[in-house]
Amino acid sequence: ETGVTQSPTHLIKTRGQQVTLRCSSQSGHNTVSWYQQALGQGPQFIFQYYREEENGRGNFPPRFSGLQFPNYSSELNVNALELDDSALYLCASSLAHNEQFFGPGTRLTVL
Amino acid sequence: AQSVTQLDSQVPVFEEAPVELRCNYSSSVSVYLFWYVQYPNQGLQLLLKYLSGSTLVKGINGFEAEFNKSQTSFHLRKPSVHISDTAEYFCAVSDRESGGSNYKLTFGKGTLLTVNP
Repeated sequence: ETGVTQSPTHLIKTRGQQVTLRCSSQSGHNTVSWYQQALGQGPQFIFQYYREEENGRGNFPPRFSGLQFPNYSSELNVNALELDDSALYLCASSLAHNEQFFGPGTRLTVL
Repeated sequence: AQSVTQLDSQVPVFEEAPVELRCNYSSSVSVYLFWYVQYPNQGLQLLLKYLSGSTLVKGINGFEAEFNKSQTSFHLRKPSVHISDTAEYFCAVSDRESGGSNYKLTFGKGTLLTVNP
């Protein structure tokens, strides 16, 4: 059974650029959640996708957007990058009403 | 809305000593409770969870936690720690009402447990 994978591992961008992060969910999981973990902080919920539809959103601006594909993999897109977007981005997959399994994360640095 | 407070940002202990990592939460609705561990440069791994039933929950790697509803606490304990337990530990809650354990997790800021020889 393959766990949750994320790509890329690390990414460096400059202010104003756009970035796409990818997540492959664990086999059989139909729900993907994204979290942002700033340095020294706990993860913060960005949004969740269930069967290709957004199923809840945290306190993040609209320049954070996402997609879920028919195979349940997911993308997180961030437009107009700001310095404060520098963080570890975590993806978690789950099957409805069960434990969330986290990937290793993508470390984004915005210069 | 929920919030989670982890009362200690860092906890240093010696190997084979007992440890308690403290977590308090605030919520206007009933919650599910979780403890996650994060090793350097890795994602989060679930240690244990409280969904219902017995308030004493046993998890992996010898950890346990007790849910105390009156004190709104969910402290994590281990009777004897190992060097390999050195990691960041996060307490989290999920709203029972809106989506159960599959929905948004609200995390504390974490406690860095350092086990010294």
